[in-house]
Amino acid sequence: EIVMTQSPATLSVSPGERATLSCRASQSVSSNLAWYQQKPGQAPRLLIYGASTRATGIPARFSGSGSGTEFTLTISSLQSEDFALYYCQQYKNWPPMYTFGQGTKLEIK
Amino acid sequence: EVQLVESGGGLVQPGGSLRLSCAASGFTFNSYWMSWVRQAPGKGLEWVANIHPEGTETYYVDPVKGRFTISRDNAKNSLYLQMNGLRAEDTAVYFCARKQLAGGWFDPWGQGTLVTVSS
Repeated sequence: EIVMTQSPATLSVSPGERATLSCRASQSVSSNLAWYQQKPGQAPRLLIYGASTRATGIPARFSGSGSGTEFTLTISSLQSEDFALYYCQQYKNWPPMYTFGQGTKLEIK
Repeated sequence: EVQLVESGGGLVQPGGSLRLSCAASGFTFNSYWMSWVRQAPGKGLEWVANIHPEGTETYYVDPVKGRFTISRDNAKNSLYLQMNGLRAEDTAVYFCARKQLAGGWFDPWGQGTLVTVSS
């Protein structure tokens, strides 16, 4: 099983500042990495797939980078609606058995 | 509009059974792998199971193997999760999600249905 580890568990940032969230895989997943945002009481929303491709409708302030085992989600200028939980997910294609990181809570400083 | 709507959650005693359903609309259901993902209260996301577009292949996370069965009815645009031998640790919100054609990311997700296993 591929284990995904996110850091930090909680990140405190002021609105307008940059946030950098990390995700590490226990073995290489190439670029098979997605990021999701989840707000309380809601389903997760896809932000990034293929490590760096923004999903439809996702603002340009969200960007993803990395490959292999180290990945980063950057939010360039935090808006109030960005304070939420963020999860990474690996999807090495075969067999189709996937794992998520434990999440990073992005909170207002 | 692509939509996934789960139903069937509720309170069940340990050892009991429950069947979740997910009604899909707005896309060609029989072209997509479909999945169940769960989230225990206050915890992170855990992928549970995947099913091939034709229902010919299924995959499960280890803790549910032999107890849960994912299935689908393409004529009804519906996905199911039969859960037997339920344990307290199965308590979670269960989301149905569509796996993308080009890779293993999930989009969209349903709103989730809560399963509580307790005596």
